[in-house]
Amino acid sequence: SAVISQKPSRDICQRGTSLTIQCQVDSQVTMMFWYRQQPGQSLTLIATANQGSEATYESGFVIDKFPISRPNLTFSTLTVSNMSPEDSSIYLCSSQIRRDTEAFFGQGTRLTVV
Amino acid sequence: SQQGEEDPQALSIQEGENATMNCSYKTSINNLQWYRQNSGRGLVHLILIRSNEREKHSGRLRVTLDTSKKSSSLLITASRAADTASYFCATDAGNTDKLIFGTGTRLQVFP
Repeated sequence: SAVISQKPSRDICQRGTSLTIQCQVDSQVTMMFWYRQQPGQSLTLIATANQGSEATYESGFVIDKFPISRPNLTFSTLTVSNMSPEDSSIYLCSSQIRRDTEAFFGQGTRLTVV
Repeated sequence: SQQGEEDPQALSIQEGENATMNCSYKTSINNLQWYRQNSGRGLVHLILIRSNEREKHSGRLRVTLDTSKKSSSLLITASRAADTASYFCATDAGNTDKLIFGTGTRLQVFP
């Protein structure tokens, strides 16, 4: 199993600013992902964080808005840039040791943009 | 995009009753997983069932998978108030590494 520390757990930000969310896994994992969960909704995959290379973004998400870093196998960051109230959501990171195994999740970052 | 759709969207039952949630998906899968989420926090993995399995048990949980119908069900027996949460199915969408989540079922168990 893997334990994921995600921070901050919550933040209230002004529109037009940026927030960087950090995700630390306690063991080396192959795959890391970032999800967004809007109020009362399911999880939507933002991107796959690739170690040492550019993230792979899902349709509707772009690097300029959600830059992602993954410098090693245990750490990743997601930045929400130039925020607007529509970015208010819970952002979650997850990891998997390999395909066909369970995913482990951080506790999420509850972001409110005012 | 959602790979899976779940029904019901919401379910309210009394303690001791059984709760059944259904998940339908669109494309071929290698496995299907069920997760639980309390109050918008992180998800907790419940059970993984592979495409060549038809049924799996874990404690009070029973999961079935019908690949011909592209559907799965999660049964929670003898429910407890502590089972109150949102439940999501997730599939691996065939040859990709990523997990795609269903729409979720909000379960409320009244004491």
